[in-house]
Amino acid sequence: EPEVTQTPSHQVTQMGQEVILRCVPISNHLYFYWYRQILGQKVEFLVSFYNNEISEKSEIFDDQFSVERPDGSNFTLKIRSTKLEDSAMYFCASSEWYSYEQYFGPGTRLTVT
Amino acid sequence: GESVGLHLPTLSVQEGDNSIINCAYSNSASDYFIWYKQESGKGPQFIIDIRSNMDKRQGQRVTVLLNKTVKHLSLQIAATQPGDSAVYFCADVSGSARQLTFGSGTQLTVLP
Repeated sequence: EPEVTQTPSHQVTQMGQEVILRCVPISNHLYFYWYRQILGQKVEFLVSFYNNEISEKSEIFDDQFSVERPDGSNFTLKIRSTKLEDSAMYFCASSEWYSYEQYFGPGTRLTVT
Repeated sequence: GESVGLHLPTLSVQEGDNSIINCAYSNSASDYFIWYKQESGKGPQFIIDIRSNMDKRQGQRVTVLLNKTVKHLSLQIAATQPGDSAVYFCADVSGSARQLTFGSGTQLTVLP
């Protein structure tokens, strides 16, 4: 069964450093999303991406964040200058154009020290 | 602001019993809801969905009930098994990009 993959599984970085989290959505999906989950809390929407542009973003997704689909398979989330409060699990998700069902990847645990 | 929330943070049931997990929502305009299961260290996994024009939907061992009058939905798991132990989230779909708004989750523990 096709699945969303994410790399790395765990990223440790120092405050102020840039990080790039990578995702490979399911191949025929057209909607792509990033969510984050701070330890012990609920999953929060960050950004959605469709037709090569951001379609929606939350208040969390400020100027320090950016997304890119550099080729036909990868979808990346970049945090320009990480803060301690960026420490969380980051999930990528994708869905087909006709369905609301989103398929989630296993997540990347980001630890900012 | 609008939110989706859950009544109880934890629920323990005996193996073989039925489980009921509840969720309340506040957005009257919500018209599509999804239940997700999240096992430790994994991403959320789709369980079942329901549209606002339905009151009930059944899947394999799971049933979702929607009461629009009181803005409440529930997930019923029949004959709960150890593999059902996980955190369960309800979510509603909103926005032009169909993003999910998640509730805070209920940890289901299945006792032997």
